[in-house]
Order: sequence, then C-alpha cells, then structure tokens
Amino acid sequence: DAEITQSPRHKITETGRQVTLACHQTWNHNNMFWYRQDLGHGLRLIHYSYGVQDTNKGEVSDGYSVSRSNTEDLPLTLESAASSQTSVYFCASSEGYEAFFGQGTRLTVV
Amino acid sequence: GQNIDQPTEMTATEGAIVQINCTYQTSGFNGLFWYQQHAGEAPTFLSYNVLDGLEEKGRFSSFLSRSKGYSYLLLKELQMKDSASYLCAVTGDYKLSFGAGTTVTVRA
Repeated sequence: DAEITQSPRHKITETGRQVTLACHQTWNHNNMFWYRQDLGHGLRLIHYSYGVQDTNKGEVSDGYSVSRSNTEDLPLTLESAASSQTSVYFCASSEGYEAFFGQGTRLTVV
Repeated sequence: GQNIDQPTEMTATEGAIVQINCTYQTSGFNGLFWYQQHAGEAPTFLSYNVLDGLEEKGRFSSFLSRSKGYSYLLLKELQMKDSASYLCAVTGDYKLSFGAGTTVTVRA
C-alpha cells in the first residue's frame, strides 16, 4: 500500500543546531507540504512543492528550508534551531485536493 | 490570505448530535475539507465540499454555503471514539489552510 512516512518520530536538539526532518511518500504525488502544529494555532503551512525542483514558502517559512530533488522526498531543514521551533511537524502529499498526512515528528529544541 | 474560524471546544453526550461551525474568508477558494485528528495522531480525511449543499457520509454530514463563507460538520449518534479535534480547512491552489480546530469531548 502507498504511504507517507516521516522520520524521526521524536527529536530533541539544541539551540543553534541544524536539523533535518525527513518525509517520504510512495503515492507518486506531485504536491508535498510541510506544516507545523501548535496549541491554539492549528496547522500552519511552512513550505510546499508542486513537483521536482519546485519549492515555495508558506505562511511561517522563516528559519526553514526545503529541497525537492525527486518525487518521493521533501526534507525540511531548520538552519539554526530555535526554541520557538519546538512543535509537531506534519508532512502531507496530494494529487488533487485531498491531502494524506504522515504520522508527525515531535521536535523539541532545548 | 485565509481567515478561518471555528469554536475551540464542544462537549456532548454519547448518542447525541453535535454541529461544528466554520466560517472563512479567503482570497481563493476551491473547496472546503473537514479532517478528524485524535490526540497524538495525524489528521484523517472526513469530507470535502466544493458545491453548496449537504454531503452525507454515514454518521457524518458536512454543509457548505459559499456565498456566506460558512460550513458545518454534523456528527450524529455520537460515540466515545468521536472524541477528537475536528479541523476545518479551505483549499486554494492545491494548498490547505486550516482553522485552529475544535476539540469535541463525548461524555458517557
């Protein structure tokens, strides 16, 4: 069965370190998205991609970057982790309007 | 941009009906989704409305009025397992913009 997986599921890192969260989908979807979820804010879009070599900024992109070198993967990099980036991160993919979500990565920046 | 409002919390009794309202203002609209999210889990798809009217799917129904920027999710015959967060999301350019979610607690 096709799926979307995120790794790691949990991560603790120190302020100032670079961190990369992986997202891999086997749906062969062109569209991929990264969201963060915080209490009181719901899911907020960080970056998204409509295909290989395409990346776009979402509403909360500062301090994050993505790259899309193939259809299956959209890694999210925190260039210099900050405590404000402690959150749960969800990756999603879609072909059309319905999005399928990964299980999430809980990131703690100490 | 998008502005999506829904109540923060609702409580209902097992077997009852609950209606979760969602209002939105958006610069581009292609449809409205409802997702369910249990604590610690990923959101899962419940319903999609692109035209005005009611879509029914078993115990769950969703309504859309595009002219009013309004939708609701109706949960009937509530079960304990329906205790979850319900997320209203608006689509534009294949992107989903979410409201903050409504936490529904079902009491015995």
